[in-house]
Amino acid sequence: QVQLVQSGAEVKKPGSSVKVSCKASGGTFSSDAMTWVRQAPGQGLEWMGGIFPLIGATNYAQQFQGRVTITADTSTSTVYMDLNSLVSEDTAVYYCARVADSGYWFDPWGQGTLVTVSS
Amino acid sequence: EIVLTQSPGTLSLSPGERAILSCRASQSVSSSYLAWYQQKPGQAPRLLIYGASSRATDIPDRFSGSGSGTDFTLTISRLEPEDFAVYYCQLYGSSLMYTFGQGTKLEIK
Repeated sequence: QVQLVQSGAEVKKPGSSVKVSCKASGGTFSSDAMTWVRQAPGQGLEWMGGIFPLIGATNYAQQFQGRVTITADTSTSTVYMDLNSLVSEDTAVYYCARVADSGYWFDPWGQGTLVTVSS
Repeated sequence: EIVLTQSPGTLSLSPGERAILSCRASQSVSSSYLAWYQQKPGQAPRLLIYGASSRATDIPDRFSGSGSGTDFTLTISRLEPEDFAVYYCQLYGSSLMYTFGQGTKLEIK
């Protein structure tokens, strides 16, 4: 059974960047697509983008194009989400999740990583 | 882009009652592409229903999903105290994109 463990909380300055990691265990990492979803305080879920580690193919939500980069290291079964040009509105919990084989839903999810952007 | 609208925004019910949550898509979609998640405070979302009506692993049978076209429903037949949470519907859209509804908060009356 796949388990996803994310890196710890971060505090960043406006204009800087953050890189969050998500390490998978218990599954066949390279053949599982992975995705990132964020949740601002008290708000709903927002899909950011995803990656298919086997071939390194990525896709991003339009509102994050040019600001987010998702990568994967198959040797360590880890995916990364790099978000740059941070603003206070990027303060959120960032979740990684495995995309089901069908490609249509997400299961399981990582525990979440709080990123706080503050001067 | 397809928009998902969930209703009601907040649902106040008592344990033992039946909960019916709605998710409406702005255009007709395949039911295969529709999923539901439960999120409790301080926790990550958990997959409940996929393909509009299939329960995920270890999900109790009091949870059921239905619907087609533009209208989908999550029903909780008899509410248990642990069911009070926020519920999101999610859709796989075209071009490998995904979208979530804004969520329904199920609270204890």
